[in-house]
Amino acid sequence: SAVISQKPSRDICQRGTSLTIQCQVDSQVTMMFWYRQQPGQSLTLIATANQGSEATYESGFVIDKFPISRPNLTFSTLTVSNMSPEDSSIYLCSVESPGTDTQYFGPGTRLTVL
Amino acid sequence: QQQVKQSPQSLIVQKGGISIINCAYENTAFDYFPWYQQFPGKGPALLIAIRPDVSEKKEGRFTISFNKSAKQFSLHIMDSQPGDSATYFCAASGRGYQKVTFGIGTKLQVIP
Repeated sequence: SAVISQKPSRDICQRGTSLTIQCQVDSQVTMMFWYRQQPGQSLTLIATANQGSEATYESGFVIDKFPISRPNLTFSTLTVSNMSPEDSSIYLCSVESPGTDTQYFGPGTRLTVL
Repeated sequence: QQQVKQSPQSLIVQKGGISIINCAYENTAFDYFPWYQQFPGKGPALLIAIRPDVSEKKEGRFTISFNKSAKQFSLHIMDSQPGDSATYFCAASGRGYQKVTFGIGTKLQVIP
């Protein structure tokens, strides 16, 4: 299984600012995923990030609000832009273990927007 | 449209009892069905997974039962312990880099 780390683990931010979340994996992976988990809710996929190409966003999520970078096969960032209190959530990155269909998750970033 | 329906949303079980969580899916293209366990403040962790070619998979106290014709699968936790208290998510995906669809989650509380 992949070991995934995220930074920061939590943050409290002011309305209108932006936060960049980092995701680091201990092995090279083709696909990385970013999810949002609102308090007490299930996981919602924000986007899929391939190395070397533009991220693919799910319905309801746009690149201007959630820009993603994927500079290499072990790292990705998600930026939450122009934040509002409604963006308060846990943001999770995950990777798919090659050839297994299994996704492994990072520990999450707990974001609170005031 | 919720493609994976999970029930119950909350469950209280006595220590030593059996916890049962049920899921149903609609998309017949799904062929991989994992269960995740999430403790507060942590990311989901893969617990056990099954493919449709088997009807049951057991790992320790955790068993998945799968009914392909009914498009249903369930997680059984035998001899439930307080340490099993967590939120459990069923999920489903298709083969090869397909989007994973998660159930709504079941918050399990095992009381002494």
